[in-house]
Amino acid sequence: DTAVSQTPKYLVTQMGNDKSIKCEQNLGHDTMYWYKQDSKKFLKIMFSYNNKELIINETVPNRFSPKSPDKAHLNLHINSLELGDSAVYFCASSPWDREGETQYFGPGTRLLVL
Amino acid sequence: SQQGEEDPQALSIQEGENATMNCSYKTSINNLQWYRQNSGRGLVHLILIRSNEREKHSGRLRVTLDTSKKSSSLLITASRAADTASYFCATDSGGSYIPTFGRGTSLIVHP
Repeated sequence: DTAVSQTPKYLVTQMGNDKSIKCEQNLGHDTMYWYKQDSKKFLKIMFSYNNKELIINETVPNRFSPKSPDKAHLNLHINSLELGDSAVYFCASSPWDREGETQYFGPGTRLLVL
Repeated sequence: SQQGEEDPQALSIQEGENATMNCSYKTSINNLQWYRQNSGRGLVHLILIRSNEREKHSGRLRVTLDTSKKSSSLLITASRAADTASYFCATDSGGSYIPTFGRGTSLIVHP
């Protein structure tokens, strides 16, 4: 059973389009995240949700909007896609553990904006 | 902001050799974690070491932490071709227990 799943795995689209990436975790974790990994493999956190509430919103353009319908799902909607949005987007989850939060990552969504 | 910096950026060794990767960070930490990322995959957690610990082992992995030097090392003993991957350190500090990742060390193990 896949613990953290993302769809789609690949996404190729034109500039200006709006797209969504879905994430689901079946680990019963309270916290979910979105990360962006650039071409140099730098992994940067974008958002963090705990029990459906936003707790971290790093400096991300407001074209990016996360939505958490329940604590097992955290979707990422991106409006007006730009070339610089091309990257791999990872969803992750973790238990709300104040003694160090081990992250469980999804397989990633490779976004290419043309 | 980026906290951990891995060194070297790339490492190429022969199967059976040991691989050592280092991570340096700037501010005091609560915990430090190491993750592995195989090509085209998500990151997989390897080991977590707390700020009051100095060394941890897991199978062929050995992690050390030197808080006075603000650095950690990951040693993979008797490496295998399957160990080929990128290795990331991640630290959390202050009131936030959410880890911040470095840029990773790319390890290639030649059979």
